[in-house]
Amino acid sequence: DAKTTQPNSMESNEEEPVHLPCNHSTISGTDYIHWYRQLPSQGPEYVIHGLTSNVNNRMASLAIAEDRKSSTLILHRATLRDAAVYYCILLMEYGNKLVFGAGTILRVKS
Amino acid sequence: NAGVTQTPKFQVLKTGQSMTLQCAQDMNHNSMYWYRQDPGMGLRLIYYSASEGTTDKGEVPNGYNVSRLNKREFSLRLESAAPSQTSVYFCASTRLAGGPIYEQYFGPGTRLTVT
Repeated sequence: DAKTTQPNSMESNEEEPVHLPCNHSTISGTDYIHWYRQLPSQGPEYVIHGLTSNVNNRMASLAIAEDRKSSTLILHRATLRDAAVYYCILLMEYGNKLVFGAGTILRVKS
Repeated sequence: NAGVTQTPKFQVLKTGQSMTLQCAQDMNHNSMYWYRQDPGMGLRLIYYSASEGTTDKGEVPNGYNVSRLNKREFSLRLESAAPSQTSVYFCASTRLAGGPIYEQYFGPGTRLTVT
């Protein structure tokens, strides 16, 4: 399975944008890029996924580099509720197993 | 819609005891999963069931057994608990039916301590 690399932790101020990076230099052509987050004492929750084009949904945006070797999860206005561990995961098109790394701990300051 | 439910929420076992963790989903999902999460670590897959009637090992299956009782329910059994199995256990489900995963839905977790 292709691996991802994320910073251990990041800090943001409330109501400012947050850019969470993920490197995946060995990504294959059929790997989808998924993001999940885990709030304290809860199970993970799906955030967003994409293949080649940038994606937006109500929670976040996903910017994917042209060569697909990296991607960035963008939270447009961080709130205290966004403090969580964010996981960047690669998944083959018909794969059925998510492989979680250590993720990035996002701290949001008021 | 309750989503994915897990029972119990907390459990303390003595070494050598057995127990079954229960998981149920009401979203008519085909695939179900069991993960464990040790402190400060990401989740690791124990077992999964791609569809009713099938189960497969994940990354860390030793010491566990599973049963896909029906489409809704997927249980995880510890036959002889060990302190190394102290962890938080998450059940998850997804809609996969011959197509790619989009969203995996997780339960609230079971916090298990083995003394």
